[in-house]
Amino acid sequence: KAGVTQTPRYLIKTRGQQVTLSCSPISGHRSVSWYQQTPGQGLQFLFEYFSETQRNKGNFPGRFSGRQFSNSRSEMNVSTLELGDSALYLCASRGGESYEQYFGPGTRLTVT
Amino acid sequence: AQTVTQSQPEMSVQEAETVTLSCTYDTSENNYYLFWYKQPPSRQMILVIRQEAYKQQNATENRFSVNFQKAAKSFSLKISDSQLGDTAMYFCAFKSGIWNAGKSTFGDGTTLTVKP
Repeated sequence: KAGVTQTPRYLIKTRGQQVTLSCSPISGHRSVSWYQQTPGQGLQFLFEYFSETQRNKGNFPGRFSGRQFSNSRSEMNVSTLELGDSALYLCASRGGESYEQYFGPGTRLTVT
Repeated sequence: AQTVTQSQPEMSVQEAETVTLSCTYDTSENNYYLFWYKQPPSRQMILVIRQEAYKQQNATENRFSVNFQKAAKSFSLKISDSQLGDTAMYFCAFKSGIWNAGKSTFGDGTTLTVKP
């Protein structure tokens, strides 16, 4: 099976812009979770989508949003980018009600 | 809220030696799962080992094993016969309840360097 894929791998944006990141889970997996990884804050949970519904949400401002499509692919959107949004964004998929998550390679977002 | 603490920011070990990474957590839940993830310099996060809280037997995966002390809320990772490819950042993670199955709480990580 192909692993979790994320596009793009690298992105440079300007403060105030918006950005959309994409994640394709492992075939058959219906859950996609998003995490933000920064040197200062570590790994923080953003949200989880399961069968197109947001199941859980972390403590992030409303500028961070997401959605999931019927094929389980998920997108994450960040509006009005701030310098502090520079981070590695990881997505993880899991199948059924399994507790094991499989991570993608991440999207490195740099906000200038 | 659950918290996960990794008290060793950096560790090093000689190739072929054994090293133990520490992790403690805080929760009021009784049913939960614990994980160790490895993140090599290439940045792909890889699941190393998992432990269900209801199981008393410590999990083992080849050279990797855990020491799970539920009462002490401790979950350490032992790497035996360390290899150069084990050089990575290691994260301890906690997950509770089926409704939170997609939400992991991570520690700050331990950077492990295996020296030749």
